[in-house]
Amino acid sequence: EVQLVQSGAEVKKPGESLKISCKGSGYSFASYWIGWVRLMPGKGLEWMGIIYPGDSDTRYSPSFQGQVTISADKSISTAYLQWSSLKASDTAMYYCARSSTNWFDPWGQGTLVTVSS
Amino acid sequence: EIVMTQSPATLSVSPGERATLSCRASQSVTSNLAWYQQKPGQAPRLLIYGASTRATGIPARFSGSGSGTEFTLTISSLQSEDFAVYYCQQYNNWPLTFGGGTKVEIK
Repeated sequence: EVQLVQSGAEVKKPGESLKISCKGSGYSFASYWIGWVRLMPGKGLEWMGIIYPGDSDTRYSPSFQGQVTISADKSISTAYLQWSSLKASDTAMYYCARSSTNWFDPWGQGTLVTVSS
Repeated sequence: EIVMTQSPATLSVSPGERATLSCRASQSVTSNLAWYQQKPGQAPRLLIYGASTRATGIPARFSGSGSGTEFTLTISSLQSEDFAVYYCQQYNNWPLTFGGGTKVEIK
């Protein structure tokens, strides 16, 4: 079974750094893109960026370029989303999802990030 | 950036009735359009890709149509488990973009 399992919920203070993870199993992790999607409270889905673990080719949405860093370690079948300095406005649910032709299936269970002083 | 506009924002439907959801792209995305369903507290689930191809395990009551800039998701006879938020997503151009969603609620 193809599965993506994300790291647990995080509570952070503004200015702190954070790295959340997404571990794939049941398929050749290096051969499929992994995308990250944000869901803010009361809002819709927003595509943040995508990485190809095989060669670490990464694309970002202009809205998120420079705000986050997407990376992957194919040796442990894990993709990452990280922030160097969190803001309260980063409070959201973050999903990873596998992509073969740029639609997403399946999705991870989501990681809730709460940023509050 | 291609802007995806979904309408209506909220659709009130009785169980057993047909639901028709619309998605419009600001420029042509050919048939590179996917639909997702998201229930409260759950991750999104892929329903349709290629504008009209059902994903594995998706019931036949879900159907997608359209090409270019106008797309439709139809749920032929709403079941209780279908009340959710539905999103369209284009993957014809970078950056990939989602519509704002349509919430299907019980009438």
